[in-house]
Order: sequence, then structure tokens, then C-alpha cells
Amino acid sequence: KAGVTQTPRYLIKTRGQQVTLSCSPISGHRSVSWYQQTPGQGLQFLFEYFSETQRNKGNFPGRFSGRQFSNSRSEMNVSTLELGDSALYLCASSPRGLNQETQYFGPGTRLLVL
Amino acid sequence: GENVEQHPSTLSVQEGDSAVIKCTYSDSASNYFPWYKQELGKGPQLIIDIRSNVGEKKDQRIAVTLNKTAKHFSLHITETQPEDSAVYFCAARGGNTGFQKLVFGTGTRLLVSP
Repeated sequence: KAGVTQTPRYLIKTRGQQVTLSCSPISGHRSVSWYQQTPGQGLQFLFEYFSETQRNKGNFPGRFSGRQFSNSRSEMNVSTLELGDSALYLCASSPRGLNQETQYFGPGTRLLVL
Repeated sequence: GENVEQHPSTLSVQEGDSAVIKCTYSDSASNYFPWYKQELGKGPQLIIDIRSNVGEKKDQRIAVTLNKTAKHFSLHITETQPEDSAVYFCAARGGNTGFQKLVFGTGTRLLVSP
């Protein structure tokens, strides 16, 4: 099976712009979670989608949003970008998102905000 | 909510030595504990995981132990090789409902010198 794919791999934006990142889960996986990784804060949970519904949400401002499509592909959007949004954004998929299921990560999208 | 602490933050060993990374968690309801390896420019890759009904799990040179009473779990790598050099993250998940977020430790940078 193909792994989790994320596009684009790299992005450069300026403050105030918005950005959309895409994630395609492993075939058959219906749960997609998003994480932000920074040197200072480590890996932090953004949100999780299952069957097109947001099921869990981390402690991020409303500028961070996401959605999931009927084919389980997911997008996340960050509006009004700030310098502090520069990070590696990772998505992970699992079959149903249950507590004891393994999550498989994609390679990430590295976002630089200037 | 769940909090995961990880030590040490950096670990340098000689090739062939063993390496041990330790994590503690706060939520006694957590029941799933994966370990991820992240190489430069890549997403985290699952290397081993353990569920709360098991005290120890081994896969070739890698083993994980879980002490539920003390709420800590450890990663053991034997006969380390230069290609083991990477950042390792522990994580914990679980709780009183079926869909909980994965909470990560702050990471351990392992350097294996030839």
C-alpha cells in the first residue's frame, strides 16, 4: 500500500496570507489527524477528522481549520498567517482513529512564513 | 489532559552500545504507547508500540517496556548502529472515551558514533 502523502512539501508565504495543505491517507484509512511540529513546542495535535467530521480538536486558534472529503483526503487551512506559524505540518492516518490503533505519518509540509 | 515527559533530550553512544530512552505519562487511563523515529527531513516513522495489557514487547534490536503502576515506559535499543541516529519520540493515547488524541514527548536526539 502507498503511504500517507502530503502536498506540497514546501511552502513559503508572507504574513497575512492564507495557505491550504493537503493530505491523502493510506488507502482504507478513514481517520486523518494533523499535527504541528516546531523546535520549541514539539509535536502538537491540531485536529482529527473521521468520515468528514471533525472529531477532536487541539488548542489552536480558529485561524487553523480543516476538512475531510468523502474519499478521506483531508485539507487544512491557515488564514492570516503569522511568523509563528512557520512549522512542519504533519498528517497521520489510521483505519478508524481508535485509541489503540497505529497512526502512520506522512512526510510533512514545511511552511515558512516571512 | 495527558502529559508526557521524555528523557534524555540528547543521547550519545558508541556503535554497539545500548541506548535507553524513558518516558512518563500522567493519565492512568492511557492504554497505547507508540515510539516513533524521525530522520532529518522526514515524518515520524513508527518503530514499535505497546498496549496496556502487555508489559514488554521486542522486535529484533528494539524493545519497549511498560510499567503501568509507575506510569512510565522505556525504549531500549541494543547493538546500536550509525543508522539508528535520529530523533525518537514517545507518545501516549487513551482515556475514558474511544477517540483520544496522541500526546507526544519532547523527543530524544540519539547520536551513534562509529
